[in-house]
Parts: sequence; structure tokens; C-alpha cells
Amino acid sequence: QQQVKQSPQSLIVQKGGISIINCAYENTAFDYFPWYQQFPGKGPALLIAIRPDVSEKKEGRFTISFNKSAKQFSLHIMDSQPGDSATYFCAASRGYQKVTFGIGTKLQVIP
Amino acid sequence: DTEVTQTPKHLVMGMTNKKSLKCEQHMGHRAMYWYKQKAKKPPELMFVYSYEKLSINESVPSRFSPECPNSSLLNLHLHALQPEDSALYLCASSQDPGQGSNEQFFGPGTRLTVL
Repeated sequence: QQQVKQSPQSLIVQKGGISIINCAYENTAFDYFPWYQQFPGKGPALLIAIRPDVSEKKEGRFTISFNKSAKQFSLHIMDSQPGDSATYFCAASRGYQKVTFGIGTKLQVIP
Repeated sequence: DTEVTQTPKHLVMGMTNKKSLKCEQHMGHRAMYWYKQKAKKPPELMFVYSYEKLSINESVPSRFSPECPNSSLLNLHLHALQPEDSALYLCASSQDPGQGSNEQFFGPGTRLTVL
């Protein structure tokens, strides 16, 4: 059972454009929603995270939007750059328990 | 020091070999994790250690044997692996379990190839 559904699986965006990746979850007990960025051959790196008591969190060009009633959250990358080309995983967890990852989105930013 | 280190970076082993993967962190984290990641897939949790005690085993075959000698070190002992065990093995750590945040810091991984 996939508890965190992520879409799209691949995304091509022009340099300077906005990249948007969406995730939906089923378990209402989740209370921590991180996004990880992974480059080929490297481990995932925490990009930004949000808790359900906040509807939006922004860090530089990266913004998480969170809709608790719809059980959805999304990552927006503003002014996308070729260096942002990577695989992005949304995830969810409850307290200290197991982190559940989405399937991943391979982002390609073209010049 | 805010990083998780893993050695070796690459490992090639035969199905009869015994090898070990090592992971180290000096962030004072008390939870440490082993994940397995196949190409184009998300990380899959294998084991969780909390305060040096094994707290989660995700039904991993016994040919994988974890060990946590102290709060900074995590090992994964490998024996009689199968070719399908070839993958990127990731170690991660997080703060004191029970603090509410499960922010996990990942190492760069060990690329394992089983011949």
C-alpha cells in the first residue's frame, strides 16, 4: 500500500520556470513532511520540511504548500536552474516512526 | 560536524564473501538507520537503531546483519548475498527519538555489486 503518492514521476522545466511536484498522503497521523533532493550516486539530502500546523514554508527558491484538509502537499521550485536537476522525494512520518517516501520525481531543467 | 560518512564508497563481492559496510556520525544523534535503494526507486528502510538498540527490522533476510557498537557507529555485515542484493546502501541518522522530529541526515551511500 503506497501511503504517499507523488506526481509527476518526471518533469522537464525551462530554466527560470517554476517546477511543481505534488504529493498526497492517506495517514492522518503523519505530522512531519520532508522533501529530499538526490543527485545521481549520492544520498538524499533534506531540502525543506513542514509540519501540518503550517500551510506554507519558504526557504530561498523552495516553497512547500500544505493542505491538511485535502491531505496534499507540494514543492514549488521558483526560478528553476540546471543545477536543480535531480530526483526529488516527498516523505511523511509520525513522530519518530518510519519515514514513508513517495516514488520520486526526476526533474530536468533545460537551458 | 554535520555529516554522515560511509565506507567503502563502492564494494564488489561474490556470493560466498563476507564483507561489512560502515557508517559514522558525530552529530550526537541517537537514532541510526540502514536503507537499501535500487535504481530509480525510493529508499527502503531495513533497520533502525535507537540508543544503540535494534528497534525496527523490516523483515530483512538474515544474510544482512546490523550492529551498533556505539552511538556514533553503525555497521552492516553481509554474508552469502545474492545478485539481487546489488543496490545503493544508505545510512542515516536523526536526533533523539521521541523528540518529535524525524529529520534524517543521509550519508553518501555504498554502491554494492554482488557477482
